[in-house]
Amino acid sequence: GDSVTQMEGPVTLSEEAFLTINCTYTATGYPSLFWYVQYPGEGLQLLLKATKADDKGSNKGFEATYRKETTSFHLEKGSVQVSDSAVYFCALSPNNAGNMLTFGGGTRLMVKP
Amino acid sequence: NAGVTQTPKFQVLKTGQSMTLQCAQDMNHEYMSWYRQDPGMGLRLIHYSVGAGITDQGEVPNGYNVSRSTTEDFPLRLLSAAPSQTSVYFCASKQGYEAFFGQGTRLTVV
Repeated sequence: GDSVTQMEGPVTLSEEAFLTINCTYTATGYPSLFWYVQYPGEGLQLLLKATKADDKGSNKGFEATYRKETTSFHLEKGSVQVSDSAVYFCALSPNNAGNMLTFGGGTRLMVKP
Repeated sequence: NAGVTQTPKFQVLKTGQSMTLQCAQDMNHEYMSWYRQDPGMGLRLIHYSVGAGITDQGEVPNGYNVSRSTTEDFPLRLLSAAPSQTSVYFCASKQGYEAFFGQGTRLTVV
């Protein structure tokens, strides 16, 4: 079945550092890929998405590129802020606008001032 | 719009008790789902619904029941609570690519 693997956390960075959170997936066909973010005490929010190979999703300074050849969707940000501290989840949906979401285990990011 | 509303936010149950977690959405989304979140395991799908009157099992359905009598509501029932059901539960509704999540219910079974 489909699966998503993320790097384990926590990831601890100083403010203005560069962030990479690795995500790889296993799926048949051409899934859509997502990053969701969960701030403390809240539900998940969609951060960005990519629906086909080579698409780049971006939002709030975060970026991720859909790499079908390496089945990856790594999350990057050039300069993190304390307010970016949260848990980040990589997820896939098996077809365009498909309803089912499969999540990775989540990566906790802590940014220190 | 309230989005997705879950109640209660916190709950402690004794082993063997039953309860219903409530979920309501006001976005007229057809697709709704329940996930549980456990440390290091991400979110796992319990049950989902593609519209009123239609439900199906997800990855971890045992010990849970759902029904969908209206588009707005999608309650999750624990029939006989077990300590293994201690978790954080999230309800979500989805239209197109984006899923909208409630704030979660933290359930402890003692």
